[in-house]
Amino acid sequence: QVQLVESGGGVVQPGRSLRLSCATSGFTFSSYGMHWVRQAPGKGLEWVAVIWYDGSNKFYADSVKGRFTISRDNSKNTLYLQMNSLRAEDTAVYYCARRLHTIDYWGQGTLVTVSS
Amino acid sequence: QSALTQPASVSGSPGQSITISCTGTSSDVGGYNYVSWYQQHPGKAPKLMIYDVSNRPSGVSTRFSGSKSGNTASLTISGLQAEDEADYYCSSYTSSNTPYVFGTGTKVTVL
Repeated sequence: QVQLVESGGGVVQPGRSLRLSCATSGFTFSSYGMHWVRQAPGKGLEWVAVIWYDGSNKFYADSVKGRFTISRDNSKNTLYLQMNSLRAEDTAVYYCARRLHTIDYWGQGTLVTVSS
Repeated sequence: QSALTQPASVSGSPGQSITISCTGTSSDVGGYNYVSWYQQHPGKAPKLMIYDVSNRPSGVSTRFSGSKSGNTASLTISGLQAEDEADYYCSSYTSSNTPYVFGTGTKVTVL
């Protein structure tokens, strides 16, 4: 069955960096576009970034553009999100999610807390 | 890209039908048939309930249905049950350089 497992979350100080990973299984990872979506505590879903199946295209929300980088390693079936210059407002549960035009599967999420 | 607009809350009694709206623009909801709906229970990941405006994934109850008219999509839950109490989000592909957008979310309460 399709599985998406995020890791790498934690508590980090403002201005520092963190890299999230999403290990996948149960499907042909290299055939699917992948997203990162976040949800601040008590708030709604916010789309963060998307990467094409082959890594050829990447797009970002304005709120993270220039600070976050989405990438993938199709040989390891893994999606990444490099987060730099973190701010308090980046505090959220970060989900990885599958499929370009319609997200059909979600991971369980990993919590990132930006606090001094 | 602004979030799609949903009512903050909708409620109904068991057995009733409710409808949640999702309003966007011709650049997102109105321009593509890539509208999806997600159910999220507290502390859980979202679950896909409707895709491509009106299609149900395997395993999703037939009580859930979707439609679209112009720039507004709708999710209808018929025969409301206690387990339907959750947050619901719409989403759409968009023509902007931020190609995906979610709705503001709707809390469904079963009275």
